[in-house]
Amino acid sequence: TQLLEQSPQFLSIQEGENLTVYCNSSSVFSSLQWYRQEPGEGPVLLVTVVTGGEVKKLKRLTFQFGDARKDSSLHITAAQPGDTGLYLCAGAGGGSYIPTFGRGTSLIVHP
Amino acid sequence: DVKVTQSSRYLVKRTGEKVFLECVQDMDHENMFWYRQDPGLGLRLIYFSYDVKMKEKGDIPEGYSVSREKKERFSLILESASTNQTSMYLCASSFRGQASQHFGDGTRLSIL
Repeated sequence: TQLLEQSPQFLSIQEGENLTVYCNSSSVFSSLQWYRQEPGEGPVLLVTVVTGGEVKKLKRLTFQFGDARKDSSLHITAAQPGDTGLYLCAGAGGGSYIPTFGRGTSLIVHP
Repeated sequence: DVKVTQSSRYLVKRTGEKVFLECVQDMDHENMFWYRQDPGLGLRLIYFSYDVKMKEKGDIPEGYSVSREKKERFSLILESASTNQTSMYLCASSFRGQASQHFGDGTRLSIL
């Protein structure tokens, strides 16, 4: 079973601060996804990374896939209250299309 | 805009009832999934389907069954609801061979 550990579990910050969320595993993934879930809603796909060392940017969000494809990070610059939500990483490997989900990082950005 | 639609946002049922949760997607996806989400436990896969009339057990299938008679529709059935099945239920879909998924808005189910 592939396990994904996310850290930190909770994060409470002020508007304008920067933050990084981590997603780590001992398994190698062929692809890794990041989702954001707002309260009472379903997760929404933010990005998919597939190449070791890959960096993708989505406005103020920067996603990085580790060189060995075992870990990933999400960095948010100048966080805004609209960034509040649960951030989930999910990875699939070994030819499977069934992802394993981390337990998520709950982010609150205070105005 | 592509969508995964779950039939109810909130549902309250009684112990022992048979409960049906419906999910419809308009993206022509081959794969469909049912998860439950509980605080501290994350998303846990109940069942998935990779084609019409095909189904596979996920990590926690006990107490649940599924039906996929049409490509766009995937139903989750609680055969005899119990209080420990109170949870947020999420439906998702994806293209064949792809791990990235599109989710519905969820059904918050309470079993009394």
